[in-house]
Amino acid sequence: AQSVSQHNHHVILSEAASLELGCNYSYGGTVNLFWYVQYPGQHLQLLLKYFSGDPLVKGIKGFEAEFIKSKFSFNLRKPSVQWSDTAEYFCAVKGYNTDKLIFGTGTRLQVFP
Amino acid sequence: GAVVSQHPSWVICKSGTSVKIECRSLDFQATTMFWYRQFPKQSLMLMATSNEGSKATYEQGVEKDKFLINHASLTLSTLTVTSAHPEDSSFYICSAFGPSVQETQYFGPGTRLLVL
Repeated sequence: AQSVSQHNHHVILSEAASLELGCNYSYGGTVNLFWYVQYPGQHLQLLLKYFSGDPLVKGIKGFEAEFIKSKFSFNLRKPSVQWSDTAEYFCAVKGYNTDKLIFGTGTRLQVFP
Repeated sequence: GAVVSQHPSWVICKSGTSVKIECRSLDFQATTMFWYRQFPKQSLMLMATSNEGSKATYEQGVEKDKFLINHASLTLSTLTVTSAHPEDSSFYICSAFGPSVQETQYFGPGTRLLVL
């Protein structure tokens, strides 16, 4: 079955700490991968996406993610988090021949000053 | 660019009434729009996919007669919750997708529905 797993449900960090959020997917065939962020009280915003090419993609606000095909993973990273990064982060996968997104359950990130 | 709006942002209604939620793509043509429900502290659950000018495709377990979707133009889709009941209270989110936005879904701000 097609699915997306986000292993970390709740992550608590201090400012300036490094961040890595895990995302693994189960999907047959070529995929497009996304990370979305939902700040408190706001709508989902696209952080970054991978369609093809360089497996290391850079997004907004200093985030990056690496697609490792052999591990079916697309982990999100940021070298130094800020208090303003406190939000819910969702990984999503889309098959090449479909428009539907399959979302992970989300990771709640809390950053303390 | 790639802005999606929803209206209303929140609505409170009595049980048994119908509520219409609008989703608009403001600066691109949305060949496809999606409707999701999001429960507190949970992920998004896809309810249905609507393509402009054709009937919506509902996910398994979603009542098509309860949640009426119309995608009348390339910039507007509506979700009508018919005969709403308290269990329909939720956060409804739409997203829009089109060739000009590089096959990426852009999300609206959501509509919070409370049925009393």
